[in-house]
Amino acid sequence: NAGVTQTPKFHILKIGQSMTLQCTQDMNHNYMYWYRQDPGMGLKLIYYSVGAGITDKGEVPNGYNVSRSTTEDFPLRLELAAPSQTSVYFCASSYTMDSLKYFGPGTRLLVL
Amino acid sequence: EDQVTQSPEALRLQEGESSSLNCSYTVSGLRGLFWYRQDPGKGPEFLFTLYSAGEEKEKERLKATLTKKESFLHITAPKPEDSATYLCAVAGNTPLVFGKGTRLSVIA
Repeated sequence: NAGVTQTPKFHILKIGQSMTLQCTQDMNHNYMYWYRQDPGMGLKLIYYSVGAGITDKGEVPNGYNVSRSTTEDFPLRLELAAPSQTSVYFCASSYTMDSLKYFGPGTRLLVL
Repeated sequence: EDQVTQSPEALRLQEGESSSLNCSYTVSGLRGLFWYRQDPGKGPEFLFTLYSAGEEKEKERLKATLTKKESFLHITAPKPEDSATYLCAVAGNTPLVFGKGTRLSVIA
């Protein structure tokens, strides 16, 4: 099993541009999550999904969109990028909400 | 609102010097308290889940304990390779809420 994979590993985005962060898991997990981590801070939940076709907002959803058309994939879309979206983004997946064990390696995003 | 507070923010230990990290939490309906290890530039690595007060789990030099208000991660005779940031998180009626972490440095 590859676990949770994320692409790209690093990206520089210009203010106002848009991009999609990719996340894929091969463990047939129902739950998938997007967190962001800023220096010295804990992980903040952006969006999560409890299954294909079902998504919900987390603590910091503004400026982001998600979709879940398959069990395996959970892309995160940034529209009109702002410097405040400079962060490290982690995708994660689990069978249930109280069994989150698998995180991806992260995508480091710089918005200039 | 679920909240997690970790202390200290940073801890520097000599090799072999045992200590504890603290995680205080407030949550409506605890479904699990989680500990993760995070190395620089990498994603969190799962260590333990504790589900009820009084529960304890061990892995090598690490031991996690849980009460109704806090959890401790005890590190016995640490080695330099234990240097990392340790994250605590709680699962209640919403997905995991994380603390800011404790940055541990173990000096040889």
